[in-house]
Amino acid sequence: QSALTQPASVSGSPGQSITISCTGTSSDVGGYTRVSWYQQHPGKAPKLMIYDVTNRPSGVSNRFSGSKSGNTASLTISGLQAEDEADYYCNSYTNSRTLVFGGGTKLTVL
Amino acid sequence: EVQLVESGGGLVQPGGSLRLSCAASGFSFSDHYMDWVRQAPGKGLEWVGRSRNKANSYTTEYAASVKGRFTISRDDSKNSLYLQMNSLKTEDTAVYYCARDGPTGTYFDYWGQGTLVTVSS
Repeated sequence: QSALTQPASVSGSPGQSITISCTGTSSDVGGYTRVSWYQQHPGKAPKLMIYDVTNRPSGVSNRFSGSKSGNTASLTISGLQAEDEADYYCNSYTNSRTLVFGGGTKLTVL
Repeated sequence: EVQLVESGGGLVQPGGSLRLSCAASGFSFSDHYMDWVRQAPGKGLEWVGRSRNKANSYTTEYAASVKGRFTISRDDSKNSLYLQMNSLKTEDTAVYYCARDGPTGTYFDYWGQGTLVTVSS
């Protein structure tokens, strides 16, 4: 199972919106509504931000939203804040009954 | 409060073995799928494998990179998850995280802090 494809880096200014894409295939992203997103700050464990494409866990800001079209899922962060600067990873369930991560995207808040 | 605490990491030579443990508390461990995820130094996250719950016969799945070398097991009476790693390679060097699955078994809602495994001669 190949890793999902994410841009290596994205950036935005405080208050702006950014979108991180996550591209897979019909065997993973495109075949299931089972995409999740994780935020990871340096030296810390990952944190769940979005699950099942669009759902936000309790306690996660509503500035974070998810969507999917075909084989590509997206994470949008609106009203960027300094504390959003982190690495972001997508993950999808696959038709092999396994899970696969994207390569990760480094978000820089300018 | 959900807590996951990994232990057992350390330095091991190539070809060697190591067993990681994950102690869980604060939730009904037997109800949940549990996973191992690793992160090589400076690299991204990689799913290693999972143990399904009792209702799903404790079946396991593995990433292709570790299949045949790593074995995941659990002891619900001790609220513990294990990762037995054999025939270790230098590329297995990573921080290993224990993670709990959410109800659908398709995402990780809680993570431990990780334990570092270094494979080097």
